[in-house]
Amino acid sequence: KQEVTQIPAALSVPEGENLVLNCSFTDSAIYNLQWFRQDPGKGLTSLLLIQSSQREQTSGRLNASLDKSSGRSTLYIAASQPGDSATYLCAVRTDQAGTALIFGKGTTLSVSS
Amino acid sequence: NAGVTQTPKFQVLKTGQSMTLQCAQDMNHNSMYWYRQDPGMGLRLIYYSASEGTTDKGEVPNGYNVSRLNKREFSLRLESAAPSQTSVYFCASSESLWTSGSGEQFFGPGTRLTVL
Repeated sequence: KQEVTQIPAALSVPEGENLVLNCSFTDSAIYNLQWFRQDPGKGLTSLLLIQSSQREQTSGRLNASLDKSSGRSTLYIAASQPGDSATYLCAVRTDQAGTALIFGKGTTLSVSS
Repeated sequence: NAGVTQTPKFQVLKTGQSMTLQCAQDMNHNSMYWYRQDPGMGLRLIYYSASEGTTDKGEVPNGYNVSRLNKREFSLRLESAAPSQTSVYFCASSESLWTSGSGEQFFGPGTRLTVL
């Protein structure tokens, strides 16, 4: 059974720091991996999607990498800002037929000014 | 572009009452999903619909039923609500991988349900 783990569970950094959030998964047979952001009391916003054939994706200050063989992904946030404070969720898709994402429990990020 | 919409946003039920959560998407996606999010448990799949006319159970289907009304709409029904169903419910949609879609999932804003 696929399991997704995110470390650390919580992270506090001062504004301006570059930081890395980690995600690991137990079964390397994935179709894609998706990173989400969730603000308190809100829904999930998709940040980046990496297909299994890709190594990384970039959007603005965000860069996500994927090492499928080792079952790992990282989300790199450059020059962090207080507005980046949120919970970041990693999720993998393991079935082409339409079954859903398997989620990690998230990393809660707090960026202080 | 509204994306994925859900109604209601909040709901309080008494044990044994029934209700239906509504979800609609305007992205012409084939696949739709219902998840629940609980503290310490993360998001878990309740039911999904890979395409119009099909539905399948996810990880935690007990106590729920679903209807894929058409390509746009996917509803979740609680027939006899229990306190254990207190949760935040999210609907999502995606293009299918077999149609050369990216498979990226898009989520609605959620329904916060309390069962007393």
